[in-house]
Amino acid sequence: GEDVEQSLFLSVREGDSSVINCTYTDSSSTYLYWYKQEPGAGLQLLTYIFSNMDMKQDQRLTVLLNKKDKHLSLRIADTQTGDSAIYFCAGNNNNDMRFGAGTRLTVKP
Amino acid sequence: DTGVSQNPRHKITKRGQNVTFRCDPISEHNRLYWYRQTLGQGPEFLTYFQNEAQLEKSRLLSDRFSAERPKGSFSTLEIQRTEQGDSAMYLCASSPQGVGTEAFFGQGTRLTVV
Repeated sequence: GEDVEQSLFLSVREGDSSVINCTYTDSSSTYLYWYKQEPGAGLQLLTYIFSNMDMKQDQRLTVLLNKKDKHLSLRIADTQTGDSAIYFCAGNNNNDMRFGAGTRLTVKP
Repeated sequence: DTGVSQNPRHKITKRGQNVTFRCDPISEHNRLYWYRQTLGQGPEFLTYFQNEAQLEKSRLLSDRFSAERPKGSFSTLEIQRTEQGDSAMYLCASSPQGVGTEAFFGQGTRLTVV
């Protein structure tokens, strides 16, 4: 979506950290989400962050939010081959969510 | 009830035909959403229900599209006089009431119009 931008591709080696970045334009989003989509499947919610937070950690996942720059990132520690998927950043907009085009993460053994 | 269920998973139809998709949300969720996803893009919002009331519709939802949620449980999305541009994955999601509560997605219905 034009309101949310992500880089399209990221390739890392197994065991490395992955950082997926997202910028958004709608400052009224109160929640920002990261979803994972594997081939042929629906979207799986990974984590979300409230807009008044700047960091959230959940096991291997760390979300950083820079509200001033409208920048959101997802760090995956110790990336595994099973993490290969498309990752979508989304912000809530009233009653719906606006998604980026997704970042395809490829994990090489 | 383990999640959002969508049927069928795949639908191939000829241009000009009508199609209908069904979504069964998580049973205690009163919000239901329809999204469309084309190849290489993120999901785009189509419409949203709170219980049986359709509260919001995107400009993407042309007159050929209609969605219902008659009893506030399952929902249907119908596309009349399908066009090749309607080929996409149609995703349904549900969430409990409350701003920012997480939405759970079904696996989608992939529509191919030939």
